[in-house]
This record gives sequence, C-alpha cells and structure tokens, in this order.
Amino acid sequence: NAGVMQNPRHLVRRRGQEARLRCSPMKGHSHVYWYRQLPEEGLKFMVYLQKENIIDESGMPKERFSAEFPKEGPSILRIQQVVRGDSAAYFCASSPLQPNTEAFFGQGTRLTVV
Amino acid sequence: AQSVTQLDSQVPVFEEAPVELRCNYSSSVSVYLFWYVQYPNQGLQLLLKYLSGSTLVESINGFEAEFNKSQTSFHLRKPSVHISDTAEYFCAVSDKGAQKLVFGQGTRLTINP
Repeated sequence: NAGVMQNPRHLVRRRGQEARLRCSPMKGHSHVYWYRQLPEEGLKFMVYLQKENIIDESGMPKERFSAEFPKEGPSILRIQQVVRGDSAAYFCASSPLQPNTEAFFGQGTRLTVV
Repeated sequence: AQSVTQLDSQVPVFEEAPVELRCNYSSSVSVYLFWYVQYPNQGLQLLLKYLSGSTLVESINGFEAEFNKSQTSFHLRKPSVHISDTAEYFCAVSDKGAQKLVFGQGTRLTINP
C-alpha cells in the first residue's frame, strides 16, 4: 500500500505563472487535507476535501488559491498568478476515518517562485 | 480557537542524554494530541498520539509523551537520544470531531556526539 504521493517534489515558477500541485491519497482514504509550511514555521491548515466536495476551506487565501478532489484522479491544489510569498512547502495528508484520528502525510511539494 | 505552543525552537543535546520537548495547547473542547517528526526534506511522520485512555503514550523508538489536562500540556520525552533522532518535531492538536490539525511551530532537535 503506497503512501500519500505528491508530485512534483520540487516546482519552480516565475511570478505570474500558475502552479499545480498534485496529491494521491493512500488507497482507501477519502479525506484529503492540504497544509502549507512557510520557512521556519509550522504547518498551517489550508483546506479539507472529500471526494468532489470541499468541506472546510477556512485556511485558504481568498484569492488565487483553489483546490479540488475529483471523483477520479488526484487532489489538485492550484495557485494562480504566483508571487514570491507563495514560496513554501505544501503538504498533503489523507485519513481514512472521521473524525481525524490520524493523518498520513506526503513528502511535500516545495514551490519556489522566482 | 485552538493554538499550540512549542516553547523551544531549538534543543541541542548530547548523544545518550535525556531530552524533553515541551508542548502546551489551548482549547475549549476535548482534543486529540499528536507528535509528528520531520526529517530533512521529508514529510511528516506520526510519532505518537493521544486519543483517549491512558495519559502516557509511547512510540516504538523509545519516545513517550504524557497528556496533562490540568496543565494543558503534552510534552515529549526520551531517556536516551541517538544521532538518528536529529529532526524537527511538531506538536499538533485536533478537536474531537474536527478535521484539521493545528500545529506548533516546531522544535529542532540536534544531537551532538
């Protein structure tokens, strides 16, 4: 059973471009979470999704950021018109149960905006 | 709103010495508590968790943490550290019934030979 798979591991974008981060949860997991880790900081919750539904997006910036978890395929975190301040590590986690008693994390995507 | 405070941003210790990483949380409701470990350029791995029952929880690699409700703490301890324990450690809390983790800012544990 593969773990949570995130790709790409590293992503470099120029200011104004779009960044797409992908996350495939563990097999059998239908709950996906996205977290952002800024340099020298802890992880901050962004969004929680179930298949085809956004359950909690209270941590998402109001503009330029969106997330989806379609019926088929990975969850996608999309950042439009990236700025330098978007440079961070983005982690995806999945869990099988509700409520969240254990989340399994991917290795993250490190986004660098130049 | 919940919050987690990890009182030490960095903890240097000598190999085979004991260590304690401190974590305090604030919450108005019952919580689950977690410690995650992050090795360089890796994702987070669950080290141990408190959900209910015994307030002392242990990991397979010798770490333990004790839930202290009156002090709202969940400190992580190991009696004898190894070089391989060098990593960043994150304490996290989740409301029972909630779906998101609130993390502390992390403690960087450095083991010196």
